Formats: sequence, structure tokens, C-alpha cells
Amino acid sequence: KAGVTQTPRYLIKTRGQQVTLSCSPISGHRSVSWYQQTPGQGLQFLFEYFSETQRNKGNFPGRFSGRQFSNSRSEMNVSTLELGDSALYLCASARLANPYNEQFFGPGTRLTVL
Amino acid sequence: TQLLEQSPQFLSIQEGENLTVYCNSSSVFSSLQWYRQEPGEGPVLLVTVVTGGEVKKLKRLTFQFGDARKDSSLHITAAQPGDTGLYLCAGAQGASGGSYIPTFGRGTSLIVHP
Repeated sequence: KAGVTQTPRYLIKTRGQQVTLSCSPISGHRSVSWYQQTPGQGLQFLFEYFSETQRNKGNFPGRFSGRQFSNSRSEMNVSTLELGDSALYLCASARLANPYNEQFFGPGTRLTVL
Repeated sequence: TQLLEQSPQFLSIQEGENLTVYCNSSSVFSSLQWYRQEPGEGPVLLVTVVTGGEVKKLKRLTFQFGDARKDSSLHITAAQPGDTGLYLCAGAQGASGGSYIPTFGRGTSLIVHP
């Protein structure tokens, strides 16, 4: 069974630009969650999508948005990039959307904002 | 303020030594999970504990959930170089509408020297 895939793996952008990251969950998984990981703040929850609907949202500004398609693939968009947005962005998929289901993480997209 | 405090932040030990990593909070969690993350990869789930006082064993790893469901510990017996990685604890806190917000500790970076 193929794991969670994320594209691109590495990305360099400049301040003010926008970026779209993609996540393909494990086949059959309907929940996709996004996280931001930085050395200073650790791993922080951005949002979760389940069956194309945003189910949960963390404490991030509106510049961070996402969506999920009918095939469960998900995209995350960050507009008006800031230096502080430099981070590893991880997505995780799960079969169901509740805290007891195992999440499978992808390798992440390393975003650098210059 | 970090809802889940992990200690120690860094740990460098020799092969064969024992160690304990702690995850503490002032909040009650419906469940706690432990993950291990290796460089360039996403976190991998090790265990989920859901009952206060629960103890789970995974080979040389022993996980305990506090009676009050506010803290957890991970004990590794006879550590091996393959145990090297970032150990993260994560909790699920209830949010509105029956959803939940995943919260991660900042992690304990473990290096086991041969």
C-alpha cells in the first residue's frame, strides 16, 4: 500500500508570493490533516478535511487555507508569504476523522521563504 | 503557551542505557499518542493510550498514561542506535461540535551512540 505523498518536497519562495502544496492520502483514507513544523514552535495543527469538508481548524491566520477534492487529495495554500512561514509542512491521512484513528504522515514539504 | 510540555528536550546516551521521556500538561486529554520522527520523514505513530493508568509495551518501549490523563511517559530499556530520533507526544482535546484539536509537544531529541 502506497504511503502518503506530498509534492513538492522542497520549495523556495519570496515574501509576498503565494504557494500551493499538495497531499495525496493513502488509498481509502478520507481524512487529511495539515501541520506546520518549526524548530521554535514544534508541530502545530493547521486544519483537517474529511469528505471535502473542513472539520477542524487550528489557530492560524486566514492566509492559510486548504481544500479537499472528491478523491480525498488535498491542497494547502498560503498567500502573502512571510519569512516566518518557513517551515516543514506535513500532511497526515487517516481512515476516519476522530482522535483514535492512526494518522499516517507524509515526508513533508520544506518551504523556505526568502 | 505549550499545552503539552516534554522533557528532557535533548538526550544523548550510550547504547544499552535506559531512559525515560516525559509529557506533561495541566489539561486533561481524551487520549495521548507517542510518535517517533526521523530526519527527512514524517512522524510515525508508536502507540495510543486512552485510559487513565494504562500501560502499554512495545518491545523495549513502555508507555504509561497518568491516572488523571494529564501526563504520560515513555521508557526505553537498553536503548539502541536505531532508537535515535525525535519523540513527540500528542493529545486530542475536544472542540466544538464533537471535533478535536490535535496538540503536539515540542519533542525530545534522542541520540543513542553505539
